Amino acid sequence: DSGVTQTPKHLITATGQRVTLRCSPRSGDLSVYWYQQSLDQGLQFLIQYYNGEERAKGNILERFSAQQFPDLHSELNLSSLELGDSALYFCASSVSTGRTGELFFGEGSRLTVL
Amino acid sequence: TQLLEQSPQFLSIQEGENLTVYCNSSSVFSSLQWYRQEPGEGPVLLVTVVTGGEVKKLKRLTFQFGDARKDSSLHITAAQPGDTGLYLCAGSRSNDYKLSFGAGTTVTVRA
Repeated sequence: DSGVTQTPKHLITATGQRVTLRCSPRSGDLSVYWYQQSLDQGLQFLIQYYNGEERAKGNILERFSAQQFPDLHSELNLSSLELGDSALYFCASSVSTGRTGELFFGEGSRLTVL
Repeated sequence: TQLLEQSPQFLSIQEGENLTVYCNSSSVFSSLQWYRQEPGEGPVLLVTVVTGGEVKKLKRLTFQFGDARKDSSLHITAAQPGDTGLYLCAGSRSNDYKLSFGAGTTVTVRA
């Protein structure tokens, strides 16, 4: 158990819909990262927050947005869903933004868009 | 195009054999990490290397960071079925915060 909690574990929805994925980081961790993992693209970095502020952005689509709340939990919002958005979405947390820091990953949220 | 290229993509070996997984890039990294991911779980950190030429050993696993900090390798000696999993390298460059992952090497160790 990494200490990172993600909900829901599984989600099935239709194209055009909107979903919200939730992440609670490990106690004490200030940084939250979101990654998308699909069979053909591997683990792709989406976005990072540190203590409520956006710190780094990857190849995150405009249809996707995220935020980190004062209690440090984070949400990833995916809208106007397309079939290609089906993937595993991982949240990870770390103590700081240090580049050598260990990332602790949650078990992921599996999104299926039909 | 992946920033970090891992090879091979798949590796299937018999218990007791040795294996090496490679992680290469044209970019220089300030640090490089190796993670292992098992089905239904998130990746788990195995090691972090930060110095060019650095070698780290973790029981039967040996990790090496290239002198130029552009590549790394993971060597497993006398592999066991418990070593089965997806091995991912991840690196961060000095000019950005994000941690980029390679596509991974799926290792299967047959009993």
